[in-house]
Amino acid sequence: EDKVVQSPLSLVVHEGDTVTLNCSYEVTNFRSLLWYKQEKKAPTFLFMLTSSGIEKKSGRLSSILDKKELFSILNITATQTGDSAIYLCAPRFQGAQKLVFGQGTRLTINP
Amino acid sequence: GAGVSQSPRYKVAKRGQDVALRCDPISGHVSLFWYQQALGQGPEFLTYFQNEAQLDKSGLPSDRFFAERPEGSVSTLKIQRTQQEDSAVYLCASSPRTGLEGYTFGSGTRLTVV
Repeated sequence: EDKVVQSPLSLVVHEGDTVTLNCSYEVTNFRSLLWYKQEKKAPTFLFMLTSSGIEKKSGRLSSILDKKELFSILNITATQTGDSAIYLCAPRFQGAQKLVFGQGTRLTINP
Repeated sequence: GAGVSQSPRYKVAKRGQDVALRCDPISGHVSLFWYQQALGQGPEFLTYFQNEAQLDKSGLPSDRFFAERPEGSVSTLKIQRTQQEDSAVYLCASSPRTGLEGYTFGSGTRLTVV
């Protein structure tokens, strides 16, 4: 059965800190992995990763995938209070359109 | 429209009542998905449409759940004889093509069954 584990489940840091969120997966016929940010209700798309070792970057956020070790990390540098949210990772496998979401990491940035 | 629109935003149903949740995807988006998100959990897949065809309904938890997209645009998720365990946020998402990029999610419908 497909399995996605995110860690930590919850993280509280001070504004300006750097955080690393982890996502490990066991998905048959892996195709890609997506990261989403969920603040209120609607998850918003951050990154899609398909190749190992190639970092994707958007401002203070970056993400990388390791297909051999079956994990991905999401880094946020110089955190701001607006980064407070739940971060979800979701692998997708070949031949299927659905995403398999992890439980999420609840990130809280204190001023 | 500019985004994925879901209605109602909130729904309180008495146990045993039938409910219908609506999703208006972004115009022209081929793929449409329904997910169920329980409190403190990640979204769980329910069903997937490509245009009007329901290609995957493997995540529907019981035969009380039914989804349709008759004209390939608006979709309705219907839950019959609601139970307390159906209480969750129901998220709809759409994407312009099949599986090549991230989906755009709506803000969801929070269903509370009392």
